[in-house]
Amino acid sequence: DAKTTQPNSMESNEEEPVHLPCNHSTISGTDYIHWYRQLPSQGPEYVIHGLTSNVNNRMASLAIAEDRKSSTLILHRATLRDAAVYYCILKNFNKFYFGSGTKLNVKP
Amino acid sequence: AAGVIQSPRHLIKEKRETATLKCYPIPRHDTVYWYQQGPGQDPQFLISFYEKMQSDKGSIPDRFSAQQFSDYHSELNMSSLELGDSALYFCASSARDRDSPLHFGNGTRLTVT
Repeated sequence: DAKTTQPNSMESNEEEPVHLPCNHSTISGTDYIHWYRQLPSQGPEYVIHGLTSNVNNRMASLAIAEDRKSSTLILHRATLRDAAVYYCILKNFNKFYFGSGTKLNVKP
Repeated sequence: AAGVIQSPRHLIKEKRETATLKCYPIPRHDTVYWYQQGPGQDPQFLISFYEKMQSDKGSIPDRFSAQQFSDYHSELNMSSLELGDSALYFCASSARDRDSPLHFGNGTRLTVT
């Protein structure tokens, strides 16, 4: 049921911006785009979500393509604590399925 | 702020035994989700509840059952445990709104020996 595609892994340097892409070509008009991250042996942590417009919060920014078939999570200045698996998930009411996320490695 | 509480944090059981995992959602959250995450794997959706009724069902084995109670806490009951049931089990809660984010607990690590 996962309807998103993400790269398996990405690497970034500390204090540089990171752009994590996600494709969701079969998104429906009522699906919200959610991003979560997970550290080893911890529960997933909410990062950001949006429907059509770009969104900003204290953790990250979410850029959503005009056709909504893709989105990009932007970490403005990566820190070592941002190293995690990032999941892009489509949510529609109570349907919430994880796909294969992107493992982000941050180099000092 | 109150978070999702899961108990116990760790549980060790033998094959063919039963286990019960508990989840206490954030106050005023009416939807609960259960996920299973094996070593090195992504979380797999098991089941969800909204207002004490089963809402969606994923890859939950027939040996497992779950329910949501009147106070909105939820329990996942696992019987005839197998070695392959060893995993992290996460519970999450959210409000029913389409865009409400999920809030996850820290999980229960189940080890079956």
